[in-house]
Amino acid sequence: ILNVEQSPQSLHVQEGDSTNFTCSFPSSNFYALHWYRWETAKSPEALFVMTLNGDEKKKGRISATLNTKEGYSYLYIKGSQPEDSATYLCAFSGRRALTFGSGTRLQVQP
Amino acid sequence: DTGVSQDPRHKITKRGQNVTFRCDPISEHNRLYWYRQTLGQGPEFLTYFQNEAQLEKSRLLSDRFSAERPKGSFSTLEIQRTEQGDSAMYLCASSLGDRRSYEQYFGPGTRLTVT
Repeated sequence: ILNVEQSPQSLHVQEGDSTNFTCSFPSSNFYALHWYRWETAKSPEALFVMTLNGDEKKKGRISATLNTKEGYSYLYIKGSQPEDSATYLCAFSGRRALTFGSGTRLQVQP
Repeated sequence: DTGVSQDPRHKITKRGQNVTFRCDPISEHNRLYWYRQTLGQGPEFLTYFQNEAQLEKSRLLSDRFSAERPKGSFSTLEIQRTEQGDSAMYLCASSLGDRRSYEQYFGPGTRLTVT
């Protein structure tokens, strides 16, 4: 059974704060690590797909890093804004379809 | 908008009834996936298709569940004799090709409530 763990489960920050989340996953049979943002009543939106150890990806104020040898990825949000409020999901792509963590729910207070 | 669409968005049904959901993937995508998400959990894989062929089914997919993709385009997920434990968000996703790193594009989901 694949175990993808995310922490923290939820996070409340003030507008302007920077924050980061962790995703841990099995280090064997690794193909890719995906990050998604899921806002209420919308479709999960793909943020990043990372495949190589040491990968770093950036999209605006959001960035992610990947360590496949130790099995973790970090997602960083710089200067959080209320519109960043969402659930952030990571998903491990191995032999089968995506295996998701349970997500980190971020609430940014104005 | 040419994204993944799902219909209906919400479904309330009584225990024991059958329900069917539809997913229309992005038109050039040959892979289609079904996931189920319950409160406080991430989406869990149910099944996927490569064109019209159903290639894998999760153990979560009991024999009350059946999925089809008859012409390799849209897909349907049917649940027979619904139970309260079937209440969940059912998500559909599609992707291009079979490389593991290809992004999966999700629809907005169908929220099923079984009373």
